[in-house]
Amino acid sequence: GAVVSQHPSRVICKSGTSVKIECRSLDFQATTMFWYRQFPKQSLMLMATSNEGSKATYEQGVEKDKFLINHASLTLSTLTVTSAHPEDSSFYICSALEEGFSNQPQHFGDGTRLSIL
Amino acid sequence: AQTVTQSQPEMSVQEAETVTLSCTYDTSESDYYLFWYKQPPSRQMILVIRQEAYKQQNATENRFSVNFQKAAKSFSLKISDSQLGDAAMYFCAYNAGGTSYGKLTFGQGTILTVHP
Repeated sequence: GAVVSQHPSRVICKSGTSVKIECRSLDFQATTMFWYRQFPKQSLMLMATSNEGSKATYEQGVEKDKFLINHASLTLSTLTVTSAHPEDSSFYICSALEEGFSNQPQHFGDGTRLSIL
Repeated sequence: AQTVTQSQPEMSVQEAETVTLSCTYDTSESDYYLFWYKQPPSRQMILVIRQEAYKQQNATENRFSVNFQKAAKSFSLKISDSQLGDAAMYFCAYNAGGTSYGKLTFGQGTILTVHP
């Protein structure tokens, strides 16, 4: 089955650090990937839609300069949390749509737990 | 904007019994997709079942079935013969389809506890 790898699975860093999270489709090409954020015991909130070769589309209220998204290839999207602060601590999950399989369920990564001290 | 509401923050069921999780949504679209996802403590997102709005027949996957009431905008999940492994957070999700396909709007989630 289609696999999405998300790395790292957990990161702890100091306030002010920039953190990069990778979302990689291992056995399929993904023209579109999505980034979600989840606070403890809460729902997932869509942050942005990442399209290969173009700028990401951010949801209302999501700071573009804080959360930089790059989708440079058909198998990799990255989310960089710039100058991270404790309020950015959260669980970040990516998902990917398989190219050529429109309207099929997306594949989720296993998530990244980000803790900012 | 579409909204998804799960009114049951927590539910519990005895092993081998049946439980129903509720979900309502609001949309002005006529064609869309609805999903139930399971999130165990590992926090993986596992697709349980998917319903296409244009299909009148309720989706079924083994012990999991839905009651899709399009006019009422209701999409409940029934788990039959509950197992200990069914214990998890369950999310109802909506997707408008078309150019918005993949952009999921999630409900608040329902924590399901299964008692042996």
